[in-house]
Amino acid sequence: AQKVTQAQTEISVVEKEDVTLDCVYETRDTTYYLFWYKQPPSGELVFLIRRNSFDEQNEISGRYSWNFQKSTSSFNFTITASQVVDSAVYFCALSDRNSGNTPLVFGKGTRLSVIA
Amino acid sequence: DTEVTQTPKHLVMGMTNKKSLKCEQHMGHRAMYWYKQKAKKPPELMFVYSYEKLSINESVPSRFSPECPNSSLLNLHLHALQPEDSALYLCASSQIPGLANEQFFGPGTRLTVL
Repeated sequence: AQKVTQAQTEISVVEKEDVTLDCVYETRDTTYYLFWYKQPPSGELVFLIRRNSFDEQNEISGRYSWNFQKSTSSFNFTITASQVVDSAVYFCALSDRNSGNTPLVFGKGTRLSVIA
Repeated sequence: DTEVTQTPKHLVMGMTNKKSLKCEQHMGHRAMYWYKQKAKKPPELMFVYSYEKLSINESVPSRFSPECPNSSLLNLHLHALQPEDSALYLCASSQIPGLANEQFFGPGTRLTVL
């Protein structure tokens, strides 16, 4: 069965610190997609990135970077030089061919607080 | 236009009321979703519409009734709700149904049932 584990429930950092959010996934499928979403206090889930299982290249977008490692089934997210606006709940999610009735399997989320 | 809009933003209703939540997207997406999210929990899928047809109903009680009048609109009709139905209701859309397609979410409707 598919599963996404975000072991860090809450993280608190001081502004300008770097922070890494962990995501570990389980799937038996060889074709799958991984996602990260940001949910600020306003409530809307904001799509950040999609990565497919055949592309292990790391990705950088501004202060955001993602490290995908199939060997450890992890898809970690790093924010460099964090800012107060990064405060939000971050969800990692998985979609595979066995998702069936659940197109996206979400982790429980990590609440990030960035303190000025 | 890369936006999913939802109305109303907030809704307070009694257990005997009938109300509707509305969702709209103009991205040409052919899959639309309703999620329910309780505090400090991830979103839970309720319904999926694929090409305007209901394709997934995650055993949601009949007091929630979805409707997809056209490819841009999605409604959720509410009737005889319970206090435990109080939650954030999120609408999402994706280009087509399928595992590769990222979902784009609206800002949600915060529902309180008294």
